[in-house]
Amino acid sequence: KQEVTQIPAALSVPEGENLVLNCSFTDSAIYNLQWFRQDPGKGLTSLLLIQSSQREQTSGRLNASLDKSSGRSTLYIAASQPGDSATYLCAVINSGGYQKVTFGTGTKLQVIP
Amino acid sequence: EAGVVQSPRYKIIEKKQPVAFWCNPISGHNTLYWYLQNLGQGPELLIRYENEEAVDDSQLPKDRFSAERLKGVDSTLKIQPAELGDSAVYLCASSLGGGPSQSEQFFGPGTRLTVL
Repeated sequence: KQEVTQIPAALSVPEGENLVLNCSFTDSAIYNLQWFRQDPGKGLTSLLLIQSSQREQTSGRLNASLDKSSGRSTLYIAASQPGDSATYLCAVINSGGYQKVTFGTGTKLQVIP
Repeated sequence: EAGVVQSPRYKIIEKKQPVAFWCNPISGHNTLYWYLQNLGQGPELLIRYENEEAVDDSQLPKDRFSAERLKGVDSTLKIQPAELGDSAVYLCASSLGGGPSQSEQFFGPGTRLTVL
């Protein structure tokens, strides 16, 4: 059974700092991995999708990497802004069979002005 | 282009009452997901549809939960009867379906259910 862990559960940084969020998974037979942000009381907003054949994806100030062999993905946020404050979630879809989707519990980020 | 639409946004019911949630995915998206999210947790998949076929309903509590996706477009998730522990946010998502590059999921705003 796939298990997805996100550490730390919460993170507080000053504005302008570069930061890294971590996502670890136990089963490396993945189809893809997707990063989301969730604002309080809202649905999830897709940030980046990394296919199993890819090593990284970039969108603006965001860069996500994938290392299947070590069961890790990182989300790098450059020059953080107060508007980046949200909960960041990673989701793994396993390859084969049901293509099960497993979410991590998220990292709650606060960027202090 | 409209995103994933869900209704209602909020629902308060007494325990043992039935409740239904509706989802309209992004136009052209063949894959539809229903998730349950408890406070402070990540979403948990309840059921996934490929067109009108439920391809993964292993996490759906079938004694009280049911879902349908007639004509492979919009979908309804039902709980009957509701229990106190069903209080949560119910999220719907959709993706194009097909290969890995078409599996990006897009979420609706969710329905917050409170069971009293």
